[in-house]
Amino acid sequence: QQQVKQSPQSLIVQKGGIPIINCAYENTAFDYFPWYQQFPGKGPALLIAIRPDVSEKKEGRFTISFNKSAKQFSLHIMDSQPGDSATYFCAALTSGTYKYIFGTGTRLKVLA
Amino acid sequence: DGGITQSPKYLFRKEGQNVTLSCEQNLNHDAMYWYRQDPGQGLRLIYYSQIVNDFQKGDIAEGYSVSREKKESFPLTVTSAQKNPTAFYLCASSKAAGTGELFFGEGSRLTVL
Repeated sequence: QQQVKQSPQSLIVQKGGIPIINCAYENTAFDYFPWYQQFPGKGPALLIAIRPDVSEKKEGRFTISFNKSAKQFSLHIMDSQPGDSATYFCAALTSGTYKYIFGTGTRLKVLA
Repeated sequence: DGGITQSPKYLFRKEGQNVTLSCEQNLNHDAMYWYRQDPGQGLRLIYYSQIVNDFQKGDIAEGYSVSREKKESFPLTVTSAQKNPTAFYLCASSKAAGTGELFFGEGSRLTVL
């Protein structure tokens, strides 16, 4: 119940395409859902996050869609660029607890 | 600039040796964390600390030890009891436990020879 299942494991798109990464969870106590971006040899950095009181959040070219009833959330990258090539992790957290649950990551490659 | 500094970036160790990874933050955050990252397994929590002089085990604490003597510092020791220590280690902090954004350091890659 504590898992966050992330798919796909890897993704290749052409420049300008819209990669979509999906995550699913079981624990309804989760109330914070961030996405992290990690470049090779670097630590992850927060990209965008959502709480379950909204169904969508946009920040620049990045959008989170959240489906509370299906217990799923996804990351969309509009007009993807080669510089977006990185590993993306979804995560889930229950506020007030320490335990962030991370997905297994999606390796994205955007072709020029 | 505020952030988290991890050192060393690369470390090689012989079997049977203990090594200590440094983590320092100047964000004035109360909570600090150590994660281990292996290919295809996401991030797994080793230890976390909510306040000075207090820390708790995470999911994979066996073979590791930590201390939190100062708010800014949270070093991790990988002991010889850790069966498979070769990995990428990430230190992180947040304002308080479970309050939202985690800030990560750049990581330390440990290789056991």
